Amino acid sequence: GNSVTQMEGPVTLSEEAFLTINCTYTATGYPSLFWYVQYPGEGLQLLLKATKADDKGSNKGFEATYRKETTSFHLEKGSVQVSDSAVYFCALLGSNAGNMLTFGGGTRLMVKP
Amino acid sequence: DVKVTQSSRYLVKRTGEKVFLECVQDMDHENMFWYRQDPGLGLRLIYFSYDVKMKEKGDIPEGYSVSREKKERFSLILESASTNQTSMYLCASSFRGQGVSGANVLTFGAGSRLTVL
Repeated sequence: GNSVTQMEGPVTLSEEAFLTINCTYTATGYPSLFWYVQYPGEGLQLLLKATKADDKGSNKGFEATYRKETTSFHLEKGSVQVSDSAVYFCALLGSNAGNMLTFGGGTRLMVKP
Repeated sequence: DVKVTQSSRYLVKRTGEKVFLECVQDMDHENMFWYRQDPGLGLRLIYFSYDVKMKEKGDIPEGYSVSREKKERFSLILESASTNQTSMYLCASSFRGQGVSGANVLTFGAGSRLTVL
């Protein structure tokens, strides 16, 4: 079956530091990949997505590249802000019809001023 | 502003009580979902529904049931709450259909944190 593995948190960074949150996946076929973000007290929001190999998703300064050869979709940001403090979830949607989203365990990011 | 609304943000119940968690969406979405979120385990799908009066089991349906009498409302029911059901419950919805351009991208509610004593 499909699975998503994320690095465990929390990840604690100072403002303006470089961020990487690792995500690897196992899936049959050609899945689509997502990053969702959950700010404190809120539900999950779609941050970015990529639908095929070598696609780069980007939003709000975050980027992730769909690497089929390494089955990875690592999230990066060049300069984090305190307002980026949240829990980040990597997810995949299988290519089979009717597949549900499969989520990783989530990674908490804490950015200190 | 489209949204998914979960009626209760925080609930405290006792073991054995019947618990209802309500979710309403105003986007005319066909699909609705209930997940539970636990630290380190991410989101696990409990039940989902493709249409009114339809329901399908997710990965962890044991101890739960659901009801979808109207398109906009999807209820999660704990018939007899237990302490291991203490968790954050998230409702989500999406349009039906294949592909990721719009379909299958979930819109989430803010969550309902349930504590069972």
